[in-house]
Amino acid sequence: DIVMTQSPDSLAVSLGERATINCKSSQSVLYRSNNKNYLAWFQQKPGQPPKLLIYWASTRASGVPDRFSGSGSGTDFTLTISSLQAEDVAVYYCQQYYSSPRTFGQGTKVEVK
Amino acid sequence: EVQLLESGGGLVQPGGSLRLSCVGSGFTFSSYAMSWVRQAPGKGLEWVSAISGSASNTYYRDSVKGRFTISRDNSKNTLYLQMNSLRAEDTAVYYCAKDGGYGSDYFDYWGQGTLVTVSS
Repeated sequence: DIVMTQSPDSLAVSLGERATINCKSSQSVLYRSNNKNYLAWFQQKPGQPPKLLIYWASTRASGVPDRFSGSGSGTDFTLTISSLQAEDVAVYYCQQYYSSPRTFGQGTKVEVK
Repeated sequence: EVQLLESGGGLVQPGGSLRLSCVGSGFTFSSYAMSWVRQAPGKGLEWVSAISGSASNTYYRDSVKGRFTISRDNSKNTLYLQMNSLRAEDTAVYYCAKDGGYGSDYFDYWGQGTLVTVSS
């Protein structure tokens, strides 16, 4: 199984400031034949199901504000919230869909400082 | 608008059985693979099982193989998870999730979840 490791486990950021979450996979999730990274990011607010934010490592899902961006390739990925808003308080998960079983990172809790 | 609605959760004793259902709407149900993903209380997300759009292929995580069975009825736009020989560690909120389709195996829509509690 591919192990996904996120860092940090939690972070507190002031409103309007940048939040950065890292995700590392135990093996590459880059599929060479199409040059796509099989990596997604989800946001989960308390009492709600996860919501897709980013897929193919850097493509924003429909309706996702452009303050959310994804980057990285191979085994190292980053989710950036460029200017934290109060409604962004949540747990964020990375997930690989390169191979089965699809695996998630342990989650990163983002709070307001 | 895509909607997924789970049902069937509840309290069951260890060794018991439960069947979860998930009704999909707002998309061509038979065209998309579907999955079950669970979340134990206060924990992270764990993929459980998946099924192709035609139901010809099914996939399971090792810890549920031989105990859980995923199926679907495309005429009813409904996904199922039959769970047998339940254990305390199966306690979780179970979400159904839709695949993006066309080789895009990310989960683009999720249901609200149904809670399964395995306890005596």
